Amino acid sequence: GENVEQHPSTLSVQEGDSAVIKCTYSDSASNYFPWYKQELGKRPQLIIDIRSNVGEKKDQRIAVTLNKTAKHFSLHITETQPEDSAVYFCAASKRNNRLAFGKGNQVVVIP
Amino acid sequence: DGGITQSPKYLFRKEGQNVTLSCEQNLNHDAMYWYRQDPGQGLRLIYYSQIVNDFQKGDIAEGYSVSREKKESFPLTVTSAQKNPTAFYLCASGQAGQETQYFGPGTRLLVL
Repeated sequence: GENVEQHPSTLSVQEGDSAVIKCTYSDSASNYFPWYKQELGKRPQLIIDIRSNVGEKKDQRIAVTLNKTAKHFSLHITETQPEDSAVYFCAASKRNNRLAFGKGNQVVVIP
Repeated sequence: DGGITQSPKYLFRKEGQNVTLSCEQNLNHDAMYWYRQDPGQGLRLIYYSQIVNDFQKGDIAEGYSVSREKKESFPLTVTSAQKNPTAFYLCASGQAGQETQYFGPGTRLLVL
């Protein structure tokens, strides 16, 4: 099955700086890659996703890039704010198949 | 994802007891999922259902059971066979044929 790994496990950034989280996946047939944000004690919320026919997608301060050859995709957060502090999960899926989740990255934005 | 509800928010289980977690959605989604989340861990799939009256085991189904008698409901029973049930349980749903999943608020299960 699909194996998804996230690095680093914890990332601390100064407010206003950029944060980048990288995920690698094992199954070259995977074609859908979402990112979820989970605040403490809350539900994971979908913040952005990308499909394999696209290399990059942006939504305001967040962006996701995909490198199919290297089988990795990254979440970029620019101009970080304290409310960006959370755990971020990446996942990968083949069409009509289950999502395989990474173990999550704790992002801490230091005011 | 405001259309997915889980109850109760907190649940306490005694030794040898079966407990049932509720998950309801009004999004008209065909697919529903149950995940278990432990501290510092990712989300692990317990069971999922793509259509009414059908469901499949996920990666950690032992000690759990589900039913899918109605499209909007996918209850999860944690049986006494699950020896380490303390976790945060998340239900999710999505459209048939679409990979995107939306999560409910979760139920935190604790053992007395």
